[in-house]
Amino acid sequence: QSALTQPPSASGSPGQSVTISCTGTSSDVGVYNYVSWYQQHPGKAPKLVIFEVNKRPSGVPDRFSGSKSGNTASLTVSGLQAEDEADYYCNSYAGTHIWVFGGGTKLTVL
Amino acid sequence: DVQLVESGGGLVEPGGSLRLSCAASGFSFSGYWIHWVRQVPGKGLVWVSHINNDGSYPNYADSVKGRFTLSRDNAKNTLFLQMNSLRAEDTAVYYCVRGYNHHFDYWGQGALVTVSS
Repeated sequence: QSALTQPPSASGSPGQSVTISCTGTSSDVGVYNYVSWYQQHPGKAPKLVIFEVNKRPSGVPDRFSGSKSGNTASLTVSGLQAEDEADYYCNSYAGTHIWVFGGGTKLTVL
Repeated sequence: DVQLVESGGGLVEPGGSLRLSCAASGFSFSGYWIHWVRQVPGKGLVWVSHINNDGSYPNYADSVKGRFTLSRDNAKNTLFLQMNSLRAEDTAVYYCVRGYNHHFDYWGQGALVTVSS
């Protein structure tokens, strides 16, 4: 049950695009298309922004997109806005009813 | 609206016990898996436990296995997390989370558990 690997920080200017990576193994990210991403603002509960690698829940702007290649998943935020500044966590199903999170990435909008 | 409301958090001494509850509303509770996810203040999210629809199959992260017990009462739309033999490293905000197809679509606001003497 090792955590997925995310960069601790990422940044971009308003209007730019930023991509956050999430690296797992062939036992989680690499084998299941059950990667999800969560946005967390300070003092708030996390919010689902991407599920099943690249699907967006209703109400999440299409500026948020997801992808996966091999053991690495990615979240891209396009057209950065001030309100996108938050912590982002990836998660993957790891089989036998076990789920694993990444360590989190703090996204700063410059 | 879907709501998950945690209660039962607080301060407990090392080795002590605490029971968290999660009251659900706004959806068909018995139709969903429910999870607990915890977060040490200032740190990342960690998956803790999950229970299936009828409560027959709870499972746990290795870090809490044998100490935590998850159960549910579908008649009362309530989930219970019994935490025994608590350690300082169990100090965290505990979130009750609805699961759907291997992702977590609704989160409670969290309950703070502090293990300290």
